[in-house]
Amino acid sequence: EIVLTQSPATLSLSPGDRATLSCRASQSVTTYLAWYQQRPGQAPRLLIYDASNRATGIPARFSGSGSGTDFTLTISSLEPEDFTVYFCQQRANWPRTFGQGTKVEVK
Amino acid sequence: QVPLVESGGGVVQPGESLTLSCAASGFLFRTYGMHWVRQAPGKGLEWVTYIGYDGSDKYRDSVKGRFIISRDDSTDTLYLEMNSLRIEDTAVYFCARNMEIGRMDYHYMDVWGKGTTVTVSS
Repeated sequence: EIVLTQSPATLSLSPGDRATLSCRASQSVTTYLAWYQQRPGQAPRLLIYDASNRATGIPARFSGSGSGTDFTLTISSLEPEDFTVYFCQQRANWPRTFGQGTKVEVK
Repeated sequence: QVPLVESGGGVVQPGESLTLSCAASGFLFRTYGMHWVRQAPGKGLEWVTYIGYDGSDKYRDSVKGRFIISRDDSTDTLYLEMNSLRIEDTAVYFCARNMEIGRMDYHYMDVWGKGTTVTVSS
């Protein structure tokens, strides 16, 4: 099973700041990695697929990069609604796996 | 119109069974693969199982032999039959649509239901 490790666990920033979230895979997933946002009490929302492609309707302030084992989700300028939890997920191998999440909180 | 609506959650004792349903609408259900993903209280997301548009299926090891995923394309409904439930199966269960672009399966989840809660407790 591919283990995805997200860091940091919590990121304390202010509105307008740039957020950089990391996801590291225990083995190469090439570019088969997605990022999701989950607000409290809601279902996850797909943000980025295949490492760097924005999903339909996702604002341009969200971007993804990386390949192999190291990936980054960048939020260029945090909006109030962006302060929540983010997960990465790989589709390279079965079982599909998620990272444990990074919480972006208001500093 | 909400694309995916789960139902069937509840409180059961260890060893008991439960069947979850997920009613789909607004898209051509029969052409999409579907996933079940769960989230234990206060925890992260855990992929559980997948069924392809052709009925092929995959399971995580911890539910293999206990859970069965199925679909009824005549009623646009996805099911998860859960047997021999354990305390560690306690979670919110989400059904989610498998992402497709063109005719390519991407095995990401692009449409999600709101979830249904399963509690296994003695």
